[in-house]
Amino acid sequence: QLQLQESGPGLVTTSETLSLTCSVSGGSISSSGFYWGWIRQPPGQGLEWIGSISYSGNTYYNPSLKSRVTISVDTSKKQFSLKLGSVTAADTALYYCARDKSVSFYFDSWGQGTLVAVSS
Amino acid sequence: DIQLTQSPSTLSASVGDRVTITCRASQSLSSWLAWYQQKPGKAPKVLIYKASTLESGVPSRFSGSGSGTEYTLTINSLQPDDFATYYCQHYGSYSYSFGQGTKLEIK
Repeated sequence: QLQLQESGPGLVTTSETLSLTCSVSGGSISSSGFYWGWIRQPPGQGLEWIGSISYSGNTYYNPSLKSRVTISVDTSKKQFSLKLGSVTAADTALYYCARDKSVSFYFDSWGQGTLVAVSS
Repeated sequence: DIQLTQSPSTLSASVGDRVTITCRASQSLSSWLAWYQQKPGKAPKVLIYKASTLESGVPSRFSGSGSGTEYTLTINSLQPDDFATYYCQHYGSYSYSFGQGTKLEIK
């Protein structure tokens, strides 16, 4: 049973960089046909895709966030990470990591999410 | 960018009802359309992918259809466990987008 678990600070200061890691267990992070993605959900609002990465490091990002986002992968640790720079209160959200089934373009397995608040 | 608009935003129904949620796109989609169910405090769960393919383990009362700019999620014989928020999601041009969500409430 594939499991994903987000980790990282729950509070980030305005203008700083938000950093989160997703640990994958119960399956391979290096399987072909899959990417690994980040999705966020502001409190009481809808879902927003942030970006996705393959095990080999190929990335694609939401154009609206691209200038501030970096996603990386460490296959030896079975982890992938998100960095979001120059954060504001608008970046306060529940951040999910998920497996991106890139052959069919949907997210088939999700972490439980981690709440990140941005405050001055 | 393709915009996805779900309707209705809120839907009130009773156990046993048949309900339909619509996802309309600002441009014709390539059928890379998925539907998710999200319950409070939980991560979304995929129900349907490629517009009409039922994800493994999802009850058959859920079905998806559509083409072009209009897609629908239908739930037959609503069960108490089905009251949740539903999202459509599209992939195109190396980017994913989600609809704004439809909250299905108990009447």
